[in-house]
Amino acid sequence: GIQVEQSPPDLILQEGANSTLRCNFSDSVNNLQWFHQNPWGQLINLFYIPSGTKQNGRLSATTVATERYSLLYISSSQTTDSGVYFCAVTNDYKLSFGAGTTVTVRA
Amino acid sequence: NAGVTQTPKFQVLKTGQSMTLQCAQDMNHNSMYWYRQDPGMGLRLIYYSASEGTTDKGEVPNGYNVSRLNKREFSLRLESAAPSQTSVYFCASRGISGAANYGYTFGSGTRLTVV
Repeated sequence: GIQVEQSPPDLILQEGANSTLRCNFSDSVNNLQWFHQNPWGQLINLFYIPSGTKQNGRLSATTVATERYSLLYISSSQTTDSGVYFCAVTNDYKLSFGAGTTVTVRA
Repeated sequence: NAGVTQTPKFQVLKTGQSMTLQCAQDMNHNSMYWYRQDPGMGLRLIYYSASEGTTDKGEVPNGYNVSRLNKREFSLRLESAAPSQTSVYFCASRGISGAANYGYTFGSGTRLTVV
């Protein structure tokens, strides 16, 4: 399967700070998604972004498919942004997950 | 529009007991999936169903069976539960090929403890 590496593994932010999370993957993909797993364990779909750039409020994402990486930007972070952010990719039916970035936003 | 619905949300089993986790989606998706998530890890694929009438093994299928009952429903069965199957189980479905959002939607998970 496709190997997915996320960095950094952990991130501690002060409320209001900006941050960038990175996802590298080992093969070409036809699907890439960013998920946020909240403290209650729910997986929330943030972006479906196999290529290009998308924005949703304070979050934005960019995928450079030819260079096999994707970036998730969090701006003006809030305590509700805390949780684990997963990147997941596939080029067939099997979605492969990275190990996640644990984000803690302090008030 | 409920999306992907999983039942139950929580379950405690004794070693050797059996149970079935239920999953239903109302988005007319063709493919459905079962994942497990262990502490501090990403999700691992147990089984998937690319379309109604087909099922295939994923990364970690041992100890599990699945049934694609119809297009909407995909169940996961533990025939003889073991403590190593203590995990959070997620069901997912995938949008239709060629659609603008050909992405995965996940259910809210089933937290299973085997004692």
